Amino acid sequence: GNSVTQMEGPVTLSEEAFLTINCTYTATGYPSLFWYVQYPGEGLQLLLKATKADDKGSNKGFEATYRKETTSFHLEKGSVQVSDSAVYFCALRGGATNKLIFGTGTLLAVQP
Amino acid sequence: DSGVTQTPKHLITATGQRVTLRCSPRSGDLSVYWYQQSLDQGLQFLIQYYNGEERAKGNILERFSAQQFPDLHSELNLSSLELGDSALYFCASSPLLRTSITDTQYFGPGTRLTVL
Repeated sequence: GNSVTQMEGPVTLSEEAFLTINCTYTATGYPSLFWYVQYPGEGLQLLLKATKADDKGSNKGFEATYRKETTSFHLEKGSVQVSDSAVYFCALRGGATNKLIFGTGTLLAVQP
Repeated sequence: DSGVTQTPKHLITATGQRVTLRCSPRSGDLSVYWYQQSLDQGLQFLIQYYNGEERAKGNILERFSAQQFPDLHSELNLSSLELGDSALYFCASSPLLRTSITDTQYFGPGTRLTVL
């Protein structure tokens, strides 16, 4: 069945460092891919999405490219801020239903 | 603010009890989804309703049930509660039923359930 694998956290970075959070997926067909972010004590917010191969989703300085050849959707940001500290979830949606399948989440802690 | 509201924010109850979680979708959204976030299972899809009808089921226990009312709000009922049901329960909404490249799920703030 469909599944998402994310890199284990926590990821600890200094402010202005480069961020990569790896995400790979297994799916039949052509799923849509998403990154959601969960700030402490809050719900999930959509960060970015991509709906077909080679699409690049971007928002708030974050970006991710839908790579069908490597079944990946890695999240990147060139310069992280303390306010980016949160849990990041990679997710896919595919098949006959609209349900989202999530990875395990990666905790990012950015230190000043 | 996603426009999805959930009540209550926190719920503490005892084993064997029954609780009801409520969700109001974004204005105009016809689909409602319920997800459970727990430490051991992660984020899992439970069930989807569209315009009052059940449309998809995930890993939802038989002790759990849901419904969507004519005004499109939804309730998730959890009964015979066990310690392992302690989790964060999210509701999400989207405009559509079928998979569409333009359809996006927007999540509410969640209800944190603690079973003692």
